Amino acid sequence: QSVLTQPPSASGTPGQRVTISCSGSSSNIGSNTVNWYQQLPGTAPKLLIYSNNQRPSGVPDRFSGSKSGTSASLAISGLQSEDEADYYCAAWDDSLNGAWVFGGGTKLTVL
Amino acid sequence: QITLKESGPTLVKPTQTLTLTCTFSGFSLSTSGVGVGWIRQPPGKALEWLALIYWNDDKRYSPSLKSRLTITKDTSKNQVVLTMTNMDPVDTATYYCAHSRAARGFDPWGQGTLVTVSS
Repeated sequence: QSVLTQPPSASGTPGQRVTISCSGSSSNIGSNTVNWYQQLPGTAPKLLIYSNNQRPSGVPDRFSGSKSGTSASLAISGLQSEDEADYYCAAWDDSLNGAWVFGGGTKLTVL
Repeated sequence: QITLKESGPTLVKPTQTLTLTCTFSGFSLSTSGVGVGWIRQPPGKALEWLALIYWNDDKRYSPSLKSRLTITKDTSKNQVVLTMTNMDPVDTATYYCAHSRAARGFDPWGQGTLVTVSS
């Protein structure tokens, strides 16, 4: 069972806007920034959003992140078929001498 | 350009010790703020962070696996080694190493290596 909680699945049609939530606690999301990773089928994860809402170079501005309290969200606007992937949130957890914690992942299906 | 690649056995027997090596290029593990981490993913399941070593040799481990893990670095060889003792079939997973720098988390990742634990 993952420390951060994500919905197991999400879906949308091309062009739609979808959001994926990530819920944590005061020791992780409540105290530290959130990163999001995209894992396309059969590939290694790729950093999508860091520090809650920053996009690495090369990531389209269709992807955006936000954080409020002990929860965070990833939004994808103008959904495209190539966005079909697994998405994971992650944050540093200050408890137990510190540790990175991940969400259980959300499988996004583009209908 | 930063690249990382994992290497090690693809099959280990239960109770054996797994040793994985991450060989990287494009950065130095002696640069302030830089780290290399290990993350694994059982087939069809979620990512699980294992360990992280920083430029100053500070080491952090997953609390649930701490007793079984050791992470070390060889700065001159641009390598980070992870050992995991007492392997069990539930440890079957793809093991990734990744570059880490402060709040950016893990970026980029290696391609991963699948380790199967079976007798």
